[in-house]
Amino acid sequence: KQEVTQIPAALSVPEGENLVLNCSFTDSAIYNLQWFRQDPGKGLTSLLLIQSSQREQTSGRLNASLDKSSGRSTLYIAASQPGDSATYLCAVHNYGQNFVFGPGTRLSVLP
Amino acid sequence: DTEVTQTPKHLVMGMTNKKSLKCEQHMGHRAMYWYKQKAKKPPELMFVYSYEKLSINESVPSRFSPECPNSSLLNLHLHALQPEDSALYLCASSPGRGGQPQHFGDGTRLSIL
Repeated sequence: KQEVTQIPAALSVPEGENLVLNCSFTDSAIYNLQWFRQDPGKGLTSLLLIQSSQREQTSGRLNASLDKSSGRSTLYIAASQPGDSATYLCAVHNYGQNFVFGPGTRLSVLP
Repeated sequence: DTEVTQTPKHLVMGMTNKKSLKCEQHMGHRAMYWYKQKAKKPPELMFVYSYEKLSINESVPSRFSPECPNSSLLNLHLHALQPEDSALYLCASSPGRGGQPQHFGDGTRLSIL
């Protein structure tokens, strides 16, 4: 059974810093991995989807990498802004199964 | 603005009430999902519909009854809920199953008195 963990559980940084969020999974036979952000009391907004054959995806200030063999993905946020404050979740999809979500990282970017 | 619309945004009901949650998408997606999310926890999958047919029921109590009237609509009928059912209920859709990206609505915040 796939298990997904995320570290750190919470992170507080000053505005302008570059930061890395980590996602680890136990079963490396994944189909793809998706990063989401969730604002308090809101739904999930898709940020990036990485297919198993890809190493990374980029969107604006966000870059997600995938290392299937080590069971890891990282989300890199460049030049963080207060508007980036949210909970970031990774979700892993194995063949023939549904997404398994990690517990999330709560990010606070201080002005 | 989200492309998956959920109504109502908030719902307060007693344990003996019957209510329904509604989810609508017009992206032509053929897979739709219900998730339950408790505070500071990740979403938990409840049901999956694929081509309007229920394909997954993750051992959800019968007081939750899903319905997919057509490819754009997904309902969740609620009856005799318990206080522990209070949570954010999220709907999502994807073009098909098989690992395609999921698009989420903003959810319905449900409180059981």
